[in-house]
Parts: sequence; C-alpha cells; structure tokens
Amino acid sequence: QKEVEQDPGPLSVPEGAIVSLNCTYSNSAFQYFMWYRQYSRKGPELLMYTYSSGNKEDGRFTAQVDKSSKYISLFIRDSQPSDSATYLCAMLNTDKLIFGTGTRLQVFP
Amino acid sequence: EAQVTQNPRYLITVTGKKLTVTCSQNMNHEYMSWYRQDPGLGLRQIYYSMNVEVTDKGDVPEGYKVSRKEKRNFPLILESPSPNQTSLYFCASSLRDSRVDGYTFGSGTRLTVV
Repeated sequence: QKEVEQDPGPLSVPEGAIVSLNCTYSNSAFQYFMWYRQYSRKGPELLMYTYSSGNKEDGRFTAQVDKSSKYISLFIRDSQPSDSATYLCAMLNTDKLIFGTGTRLQVFP
Repeated sequence: EAQVTQNPRYLITVTGKKLTVTCSQNMNHEYMSWYRQDPGLGLRQIYYSMNVEVTDKGDVPEGYKVSRKEKRNFPLILESPSPNQTSLYFCASSLRDSRVDGYTFGSGTRLTVV
C-alpha cells in the first residue's frame, strides 16, 4: 500500500464550480500537510500547508485535515480556468516530503 | 529572484553516455533534493543533501550519483544512462526546516535515453 493515495483524475469542471481534491494516507505520524500546484512544463509550487488537524483558508482555497480518518482535502471556490493544473498533496515525514501522484484539474470556461 | 535553476531543460542522449544535470539555488538553503516524476508514480526522491558534503539516498537511487561540494549546487550524475531513466527530473531546495516554506522546485529537466 502506498503511503499517500491520490485520485489521478482528470477532474473537469465548469468555471465557477467548487472543486474538492483529496488524499488519504496510512502513516499516522504525519503532522504537516501541504498542497502543491504544478502547471504544465513547470515545477510544483507550494500552495498551502497545514499542521495537524483543522482547516486553513487562503483566498479561494481551503485546506482541511482530518487526522482521525487520515484524510486531507483542498477546496477551491469559484474555480477559474487559470486553476487548471495538477495538484499534489504532500506530507512531511521527518526530513522528507512524501508526495501523492497528483490530480489533474481542468476548469473550462 | 529566489529560484532553483536546472540545466538543461531538455536532453536526449544515448544509452551509456555519461551525463550531468546541474542544479543551483540562490536562497542559501541547506537542504537540496532530486526527484523524478513518472506518470502514475508521482514524484519519487532520488537523493537528498542536508548540507555541504552530506548526501543520502532517497527511494530510487540506483543508477544515479550526486555531490554537494558547495551549498548552492547539487548536480545529478548519470554514469551510464539506460532507457528506464527516461523521465522528468526536478531539483528542489528548502531551509533546514522545510515546514517553514516547503520546497522550492526547479522547472524540470526532461531526459530521454534512447
């Protein structure tokens, strides 16, 4: 079993929709959870990170962690075509990040 | 501008011909790492370095070498490339405590070995 599981998509939604991206993980020791966004032909860039359980909001983006279920989510409100990218979840395990395989999101006008 | 610079961006080579992919960062980061990204497998760590002259294997180190002689540079060396090393490679760096700002990634090197 992979340490981090993520649905690869693709997820295709109309502009303005609310998008939910999710990851599950198996290691209960993970404490720091991150979301990266990767545009085509670019490296991943950090979008948000959260510590332990709870919610964190930044503009149209909300990151949610449920440690009891080993489940993390990223919500995008009022999605825009510019949000079209691959979204990777990542979890910090001592000195390194463990990444999910990424979910490809397409937002069409 | 704070960044991680990789070169080259694209490379096509033949089996067995030694190559080096360079990586340089200008943020005075202690930690540097190499990943390869393959469809369905995501980002897998090849090697990482906690500081100058300190390197360690990641999850998929076979067929690769690295060195960290200076803080800013972390080249990836393929002594005898094989077709299964065809992939998209990323260099990343961070502060010693990556919880602060996460990793900064380069733009990637697309390597094809024929």
